[in-house]
Amino acid sequence: GEQVEQRPPHLSVPEGDSAVIICTYTDSATAYFYWYKQEPGAGLQLLMSVFSNVDRKEEQGLTVLLNKKDKQLSLNLTAAHPGDSAVYFCAALNNYAQGLTFGLGTRVSVFP
Amino acid sequence: AQTIHQWPVAEIKAVGSPLSLGCTIKGKSSPNLYWYWQATGGTLQQLFYSITVGQVESVVQLNLSASRPKDDQFILSTEKLLLSHSGFYLCAWSLGGQENSDYTFGSGTRLLVI
Repeated sequence: GEQVEQRPPHLSVPEGDSAVIICTYTDSATAYFYWYKQEPGAGLQLLMSVFSNVDRKEEQGLTVLLNKKDKQLSLNLTAAHPGDSAVYFCAALNNYAQGLTFGLGTRVSVFP
Repeated sequence: AQTIHQWPVAEIKAVGSPLSLGCTIKGKSSPNLYWYWQATGGTLQQLFYSITVGQVESVVQLNLSASRPKDDQFILSTEKLLLSHSGFYLCAWSLGGQENSDYTFGSGTRLLVI
């Protein structure tokens, strides 16, 4: 089945700077990818979903890039602010389990 | 608008005791439903999914079971809890029959087994 690796596990970002989180996946047939944000003690908030025929998607200060050749998905947070501090997860649609396979998460800390 | 509600919000249970966690989706008929488990500080592991009432498929065996007694309800349970069951349990739904559906998660149930 699908496997997803995510890096880095931790990211400290000065306020106003950008941050990049990278995920690599194994199944070239994966059709959909997702980015979620999890604040302490909370559930998952969907940030963006991306279909595999899309190379780039931008929404509200977030940019997702999909490189199908390298099986790589990235999330770029531009102009980070303290409210962006959270754990971010990438996920790929797992056709076998009819659900999502998640990366291990990246804890982002934005400091003034 | 669709809403997803999980209960209870948190539980502290003794090893060997039974457990029942619930999830209800309102505003959407025939959703696909999912249970995920997250160890403290860890990633999410899919446990079960259900595409229709009365049918549940297991993804990972963790001495847990799931049932879908109604179209809008998904239950996670066990008769005997283990210490390893501690963690955060999340229910999610997606549109049935559509691959391009977003997966929406509930607020989760935090379980501590002592």
